[in-house]
Amino acid sequence: NAGVTQTPKFQVLKTGQSMTLQCAQDMNHEYMSWYRQDPGMGLRLIHYSVGAGITDQGEVPNGYNVSRSTTEDFPLRLLSAAPSQTSVYFCASSYSLHRTLNTGELFFGEGSRLTVL
Amino acid sequence: LAKTTQPISMDSYEGQEVNITCSHNNIATNDYITWYQQFPSQGPRFIIQGYKTKVTNEVASLFIPADRKSSTLSLPRVSLSDTAVYYCLVGDRVGGYNKLIFGAGTRLAVHP
Repeated sequence: NAGVTQTPKFQVLKTGQSMTLQCAQDMNHEYMSWYRQDPGMGLRLIHYSVGAGITDQGEVPNGYNVSRSTTEDFPLRLLSAAPSQTSVYFCASSYSLHRTLNTGELFFGEGSRLTVL
Repeated sequence: LAKTTQPISMDSYEGQEVNITCSHNNIATNDYITWYQQFPSQGPRFIIQGYKTKVTNEVASLFIPADRKSSTLSLPRVSLSDTAVYYCLVGDRVGGYNKLIFGAGTRLAVHP
């Protein structure tokens, strides 16, 4: 199994440009999420999804959009890149996280390193 | 806001046992407690998960007291390769759905 696949691994943008970070998982996981990690810091939740067609905001959603049209894919869109969005972005998925059961085990991708000039 | 509190950093030496304690005073009845390990330039990796009492696997043990307001990750006989950041997570149901918020983590440095 490929697990969680993120593309691209590296990207440089200019301020104001838009782009989409791709995330795909082949484990039939219901739950998918995006985190960002700034140098020397912990992970902060951007957006998450508990199934196709259902998304919600995390801790730092401003400047990012997500959609979940299929179980497998959860793209993260930067609408107008800013230097403050320079970070490493991690996509993660889990079998099932819903209202009453927390399996807790997240599978992470290798990360996408984004630099905004 | 993260629902957990951990020490920012710890130091140890090879061969010692390391115990990292996490406080989660507002843990919900159905929440599990999960620990992750992260090496530089990599995504976090699942270490262990528990609900109550003690859980042990091939790499660590997790101790959870009866009130579940804290948990302790125990790493037996650490080596240099255990130098990493360790995160403790519980669920967060603000807004109706369950989402996982990472805290700042504990930066463990293992010395020769």
